[in-house]
Amino acid sequence: GAVVSQHPSRVICKSGTSVKIECRSLDFQATTMFWYRQFPKQSLMLMATSNEGSKATYEQGVEKDKFLINHASLTLSTLTVTSAHPEDSSFYICSARYTENTEAFFGQGTRLTVV
Amino acid sequence: AQSVTQLDSHVSVSEGTPVLLRCNYSSSYSPSLFWYVQHPNKGLQLLLKYTSAATLVKGINGFEAEFKKSETSFHLTKPSAHMSDAAEYFCVVSYFGNEKLTFGTGTRLTIIP
Repeated sequence: GAVVSQHPSRVICKSGTSVKIECRSLDFQATTMFWYRQFPKQSLMLMATSNEGSKATYEQGVEKDKFLINHASLTLSTLTVTSAHPEDSSFYICSARYTENTEAFFGQGTRLTVV
Repeated sequence: AQSVTQLDSHVSVSEGTPVLLRCNYSSSYSPSLFWYVQHPNKGLQLLLKYTSAATLVKGINGFEAEFKKSETSFHLTKPSAHMSDAAEYFCVVSYFGNEKLTFGTGTRLTIIP
């Protein structure tokens, strides 16, 4: 299958700082990318859907000003957690797909710890 | 709203014995159903998917699942467990025309040597 790479895999940051997570589709062009959040021992919750060149669509309850998503190219989407707080500590996973009705491939995830 | 329920948070089986991971879905319309596997510190990998074709779906690594509309179930099975099967498994649902994937809470599969 296709490869989606997330970077970094782990990050620790101080409370109040911002953190950027990158999601890259390495061998295909991803028209749509998805960002998920996974709390310990819980399932993945969709945060937002981003289409290349347009604004992301956020799920209800997700603060768009806190979780900034950019999908400027067909191979890269970024999630920036602004003014991070300890409650933002979580596992963030992206997925990418080529077009509708095609399989979405997942990155390996980023574990964010805010201290 | 679409949802899936994974009935077991943790399943332990001995190596070489059958695996059964249970999943029920809520459905107002015909669903697409998926099983994903997540190994520690790895991304999710698609095991198999059902999209209104054959009700018995065969996936990778010897896994298969059967779509039973009357029971609203999509249980994952494997005849003989291998140590490498130890991982977290997610049952996922989406509906035609709706790109949103809804994940179950996951089942951790442990293989006993």
